[in-house]
Amino acid sequence: DVKVTQSSRYLVKRTGEKVFLECVQDMDHENMFWYRQDPGLGLRLIYFSYDVKMKEKGDIPEGYSVSREKKERFSLILESASTNQTSMYLCASSFPPSDEAFFGQGTRLTVV
Amino acid sequence: GQSLEQPSEVTAVEGAIVQINCTYQTSGFYGLSWYQQHDGGAPTFLSYNALDGLEETGRFSSFLSRSDSYGYLLLQELQMKDSASYFCANAGMDSSYKLIFGSGTRLLVRP
Repeated sequence: DVKVTQSSRYLVKRTGEKVFLECVQDMDHENMFWYRQDPGLGLRLIYFSYDVKMKEKGDIPEGYSVSREKKERFSLILESASTNQTSMYLCASSFPPSDEAFFGQGTRLTVV
Repeated sequence: GQSLEQPSEVTAVEGAIVQINCTYQTSGFYGLSWYQQHDGGAPTFLSYNALDGLEETGRFSSFLSRSDSYGYLLLQELQMKDSASYFCANAGMDSSYKLIFGSGTRLLVRP
């Protein structure tokens, strides 16, 4: 069974902290994505990776960075968390050229 | 750039048919896909249209018209469990299948 696993379901962090969100997929997929989901705004792409150590900015990369040292793992880093980064974060993976992406269960991050 | 527009909310009655529209503007286009997301859950893939026309999968069908930059998801014989958010998505030609989503349509099915 296809699986994308995010390390935490809920996180509470303080303003200014460095935050790591981890995502692991077991499908040997080339592509991995980090999205942010806020009410009424859909899924907005933060960063995208199409291979190990390769990354591209999405629509809202400011305040975030990513790391992909191994094919199965894609990490999202909030360099200095701020309250406006309180959101649901979703990781996904896909195998091009398929448009079928598989999502993790999401991490609800609250920054206080 | 890429943008996909959807209505924010649609309401329909159990047993009816509902159509959720998606118009897009992209610098490149491979095809249009559709995802379903229940409250508290993760999005799950429903369908994909690479070519113009209708694709049918059980109660759900998806349509694409490249010339009109338009597609829709058709849900038939609506059930209460179909109440969810529906997203259209596109992997444009900006790079290697970078998947961009619309803002989503919340479907409420009433008894």
